[in-house]
Amino acid sequence: QKEVEQNSGPLSVPEGAIASLNCTYSDRGSQSFFWYRQYSGKSPELIMSIYSNGDKEDGRFTAQLNKASQYVSLLIRDSQPSDSATYLCAVNKYGNQFYFGTGTSLTVIP
Amino acid sequence: SQTIHQWPATLVQPVGSPLSLECTVEGTSNPNLYWYRQAAGRGLQLLFYSVGIGQISSEVPQNLSASRPQDRQFILSSKKLLLSDSGFYLCAWGGESNSPLHFGNGTRLTVT
Repeated sequence: QKEVEQNSGPLSVPEGAIASLNCTYSDRGSQSFFWYRQYSGKSPELIMSIYSNGDKEDGRFTAQLNKASQYVSLLIRDSQPSDSATYLCAVNKYGNQFYFGTGTSLTVIP
Repeated sequence: SQTIHQWPATLVQPVGSPLSLECTVEGTSNPNLYWYRQAAGRGLQLLFYSVGIGQISSEVPQNLSASRPQDRQFILSSKKLLLSDSGFYLCAWGGESNSPLHFGNGTRLTVT
């Protein structure tokens, strides 16, 4: 079983719509959760961190964490073409060990 | 503020040649340091991480090795490259107290 799983997509949404990205993780001992954005040919860039159950909002981005269901999601409101990228879910286990999903490719259609 | 430098940006090497990739971090002391590899169209594979000078943990046994000769320097090496070593190599720092990782710009390695 993979540590972190994401739907690979591709996910296409029209400009201005809400994009919803999902992630599940296998270890209940996981402590912190992150979303990264990776443009083609570039390195991952941190966009959200979440540590406790519930929602965390930052601008157009909302991260949601449900530890009971071992589920993390990212909502992008008012999607823009510049949001087109691969989104990586990452989970921190035991402080030092980070595991990444394979990423979901998002295309925002103008 | 903290910055991370990784070089070279691109590298083309023949099979069987050696490899040395270097990463340095500025603006922080005793960071946790990581090497990841991303194959084309694939996720990030953790190769090595280090919590201090000379302390290296290997996640995947292979022909790669890592060293941390100084507090903020992390080096990835190989004595003989394989075709399967091609990929995007990323150095990162962070992870202390559940903080996120921050990545360098990466090195795109092509083994021919």
